[in-house]
Amino acid sequence: QQQVKQSPQSLIVQKGGISIINCAYENTAFDYFPWYQQFPGKGPALLIAIRPDVSEKKEGRFTISFNKSAKQFSLHIMDSQPGDSATYFCAARDYRGSTLGRLYFGRGTQLTVWP
Amino acid sequence: EPEVTQTPSHQVTQMGQEVILRCVPISNHLYFYWYRQILGQKVEFLVSFYNNEISEKSEIFDDQFSVERPDGSNFTLKIRSTKLEDSAMYFCASRESSGNTIYFGEGSWLTVV
Repeated sequence: QQQVKQSPQSLIVQKGGISIINCAYENTAFDYFPWYQQFPGKGPALLIAIRPDVSEKKEGRFTISFNKSAKQFSLHIMDSQPGDSATYFCAARDYRGSTLGRLYFGRGTQLTVWP
Repeated sequence: EPEVTQTPSHQVTQMGQEVILRCVPISNHLYFYWYRQILGQKVEFLVSFYNNEISEKSEIFDDQFSVERPDGSNFTLKIRSTKLEDSAMYFCASRESSGNTIYFGEGSWLTVV
């Protein structure tokens, strides 16, 4: 069962363009939604995160839009740069199993930004 | 910036052999995790650990897996008898008890042949 669905699987954007990656979930117990960026051979690194009581969060060129009623959230990368080329994972946290919580990841989006 | 460090970065082992993957979490973090990523697939939760006890484990974390904090700094994942399907990148992660951010290490790539 796929807890977090992510699309598209791959995305090609021209330098300066907007990259948009979408995620959807079913589990209403999720309480925290981070986005991770992963470069080849490296571990996932937190990019930006949002709680479900907020509809939008912006940090520099990165914005999360969150639609609680639709159970969807998306990452927008403005003015995309070649250095943004990486794999992006959305994730959602569930605390029901333990107070440490566990993350459920989407399948990832391979972003390529052409110069 | 403090980071989670993992060793080895890559290990090749024969099927049926035992493997120990090692991690040094960020020093003031109390919550520890192992995740894995099979090549080309999503990152999956294995186990969480706090106060020398497993807090939660996934259906992947069967009797072949165990975790331990043998001293004040290391956190280990042991696979008792490796199978071909255990080939994956294993990520250690940690976070502060009061924070939300989970910090991941660079991973240990395990190849079972």
